[in-house]
Order: sequence, then structure tokens, then C-alpha cells
Amino acid sequence: KQEVTQIPAALSVPEGENLVLNCSFTDSAIYNLQWFRQDPGKGLTSLLLIQSSQREQTSGRLNASLDKSSGRSTLYIAASQPGDSATYLCAGVTGFQKLVFGTGTRLLVSP
Amino acid sequence: ETGVTQSPTHLIKTRGQQVTLRCSSQSGHNTVSWYQQALGQGPQFIFQYYREEENGRGNFPPRFSGLQFPNYSSELNVNALELDDSALYLCASSRGGVPTYEQYFGPGTRLTVT
Repeated sequence: KQEVTQIPAALSVPEGENLVLNCSFTDSAIYNLQWFRQDPGKGLTSLLLIQSSQREQTSGRLNASLDKSSGRSTLYIAASQPGDSATYLCAGVTGFQKLVFGTGTRLLVSP
Repeated sequence: ETGVTQSPTHLIKTRGQQVTLRCSSQSGHNTVSWYQQALGQGPQFIFQYYREEENGRGNFPPRFSGLQFPNYSSELNVNALELDDSALYLCASSRGGVPTYEQYFGPGTRLTVT
């Protein structure tokens, strides 16, 4: 059974800092790993999708890496901004397109 | 924003009642998945529909049921509502058949059971 853990649970940083969010999963037989952003009370916005054959993906100030052998993924946010404040969720896909989510990292970026 | 829409936005029901939530998938997508997200938790998979057939189910009781229509929109029905059913219900659509396709979420329906 796939289990996904995210560390830290919460993070507070001043604007401009570079930061790393961690995601670990127990089943290395994942098809892909997806990172999402969720604003309070809202749906999920897909940030990055990493296929199992890839090692990383980049979009703007975001970079996500995937190491299947160690069961880990990281999301790197460069030059953080107050608008980045949200909960970040990672999810692995195993089998038919079932996403198994972690509990998320709540990020607060202060001006 | 994705092309996935959900209705209603908010809903308040009484314990024991029944509720129907609706989801319209993004154009070109034939797979819809439903998730339940309790406060402070990550979303939990309820079930998935691919080309109008249930294609997988999570650890939810039979009172959670669903339907997918020929236009690939979908409904989630919950009977005999319990207080613990209070949550944000999310649907996601994707191109089906291959597990590597990206999934796109709607804004969710907030269900409160009193």
C-alpha cells in the first residue's frame, strides 16, 4: 500500500528565501509524481508532473526532482514571494490513475 | 484555471439525508476521479470512472456511489449522510487509459453535515 509523507508539515520564511519541500513514498512502483498547490478552501492547482522515467521538471521558479530508488521527491522554490503562501501537496500515481496524497506542507512567506 | 467545474460550491445537509454532487470534466478527458478531503488532511481517493465504467475504488462504503454520463461528466452520490462526511469533495479529470496522464482538479464542493 502506497503511503506518502511530507516534511515539514509547516514552514514560515521571509520573502526572498529559497526553500525545499520534501515528499517521501513507500512504493517505488509509481507511474508519476505530481505536485499541487492548494489555497485555503480551494481546489488543487497542478504545479509539476514528473514521469517515472524523468528525474526532474522545472516551471519558472519551481523545480521538482524525483528519485524512485530512494522513494523521494523534492520541490524547490526559488526567491519565495508572499503569493507563494499556500499548502503544497505531493501525490504519487500507482496503477490506474489513483493519486495517493501526502498531508501537505503549509507554507507562509512573510513580506 | 482548469476546465473542470463542480456544483454546487457549498452544501449543508442533515445527518441521514442524501446528496448528489456534480462534476464536468475538461474537454477531451474521459476519466473522472473523486476525492474526499477532510480538514487538514490530504485528499483520499473515493473512486474513478473511465468511459462510463467504474475503474477503481478506494476504501469507502457502498453508500458512496457514482455515475459517469456519455459526455464524461460525473455525479457522486452519498446516502445516509454521517457527520464525518463533512469535507471538501474534489473531482479530477484526465485523459484515460494510461496512468501517466496529468490530472486536473475542479474547485471542489464543500459539504457540511449537521
